[in-house]
Amino acid sequence: AQSVTQLDSQVPVFEEAPVELRCNYSSSVSVYLFWYVQYPNQGLQLLLKYLSGSTLVKGINGFEAEFNKSQTSFHLRKPSVHISDTAEYFCAVSEVDTGRRALTFGSGTRLQVQP
Amino acid sequence: EAQVTQNPRYLITVTGKKLTVTCSQNMNHEYMSWYRQDPGLGLRQIYYSMNVEVTDKGDVPEGYKVSRKEKRNFPLILESPSPNQTSLYFCASGEFGAGGGYTFGSGTRLTVV
Repeated sequence: AQSVTQLDSQVPVFEEAPVELRCNYSSSVSVYLFWYVQYPNQGLQLLLKYLSGSTLVKGINGFEAEFNKSQTSFHLRKPSVHISDTAEYFCAVSEVDTGRRALTFGSGTRLQVQP
Repeated sequence: EAQVTQNPRYLITVTGKKLTVTCSQNMNHEYMSWYRQDPGLGLRQIYYSMNVEVTDKGDVPEGYKVSRKEKRNFPLILESPSPNQTSLYFCASGEFGAGGGYTFGSGTRLTVV
């Protein structure tokens, strides 16, 4: 079975500062990795995904993430955050080649960008 | 516009009164799924469907039913709701072989009193 751990439940940061949201996963098979963002009172929107190939993945809104297989991590980064990035961020994994195609989510990290 | 539509957005009901939350997608996706979101627990899968008439349990299926009679619709049924089913529910759809990247609906906030 797969699992996802998001190491920080809340991350406060000042506007224009860099940020890293941490995600570690556990799985006995190969996985796909995702980051989703949830703005207040909205559904989840895909930020970026890693399926294969280059371990550095670029997504929307200036976010990027790096897949590290040896450390089973998929941390999300942004070099300079804006007030509008305030939201909850979810890391998720999906096992390759299984019928369920289920996304297993972490518990979320609330990013609070302060002026 | 490609989207997943859930209705209603908000619902307050009483214990034991059957209810249905509808979900419809206009992208001709094979795969659809229901999740519930609870504080500190992230999203957990309730049921999923890989195509018409093909459904299976997710991680937390107790107290829920689903059906998939048409490709675009995947309703979630609570035959006898209880207070522990108070939650935020999301429907999602995607291509079966797409490696994830699902499209989510806007959510249904259910309160059972």
